[in-house]
Amino acid sequence: GAGVSQSPSNKVTEKGKDVELRCDPISGHTALYWYRQSLGQGLEFLIYFQGNSAPDKSGLPSDRFSAERTGGSVSTLTIQRTQQEDSAVYLCASSPSAGGPGEQFFGPGTRLTVL
Amino acid sequence: GESVGLHLPTLSVQEGDNSIINCAYSNSASDYFIWYKQESGKGPQFIIDIRSNMDKRQGQRVTVLLNKTVKHLSLQIAATQPGDSAVYFCAENIGYKLSFGAGTTVTVRA
Repeated sequence: GAGVSQSPSNKVTEKGKDVELRCDPISGHTALYWYRQSLGQGLEFLIYFQGNSAPDKSGLPSDRFSAERTGGSVSTLTIQRTQQEDSAVYLCASSPSAGGPGEQFFGPGTRLTVL
Repeated sequence: GESVGLHLPTLSVQEGDNSIINCAYSNSASDYFIWYKQESGKGPQFIIDIRSNMDKRQGQRVTVLLNKTVKHLSLQIAATQPGDSAVYFCAENIGYKLSFGAGTTVTVRA
């Protein structure tokens, strides 16, 4: 079956530009997560969506970062006025679990490079 | 804050030998732990999980051990193969969040 997909796979942008990263979760999964992975590092939690509940935005590093999830499915992570330190791999994951512990299924990530 | 960490950033192992990857965690409230494998250019892939009420769980060629007394988690890979070369992350689950360590890069020597 189809897994989590993300687009684009690579994005190169100039400092100061806005970027949008897309995530298509596994159909039927109610939970969706965004993580950031800097080179050689672990995953840093950014934001969590669960059904129609208010998202947990506690991991967003600044107000330049925002995310939305439309219709409980596709999610878009937007970074405004990108900075060089935003360069990283942005990973999306979905889970069938409704608020409890459980496996998260990851997409391949979007590699963002800010010049 | 509390976080999950790994003891060694790299591990080199001879093909056919067993691998042991270690992880220390600090949050005693964690109720669920997962090991992920990440190959170059890909997202993390689930390997095995264990709940806090267990101390051992076995999968295909992999075993996870949990020692809650010393807050230690390990992943054992039997008969390591070239395809096992990857970065391995442990993660602890509190509620709906996963907290990841920095990862151990495993390199399999032919």
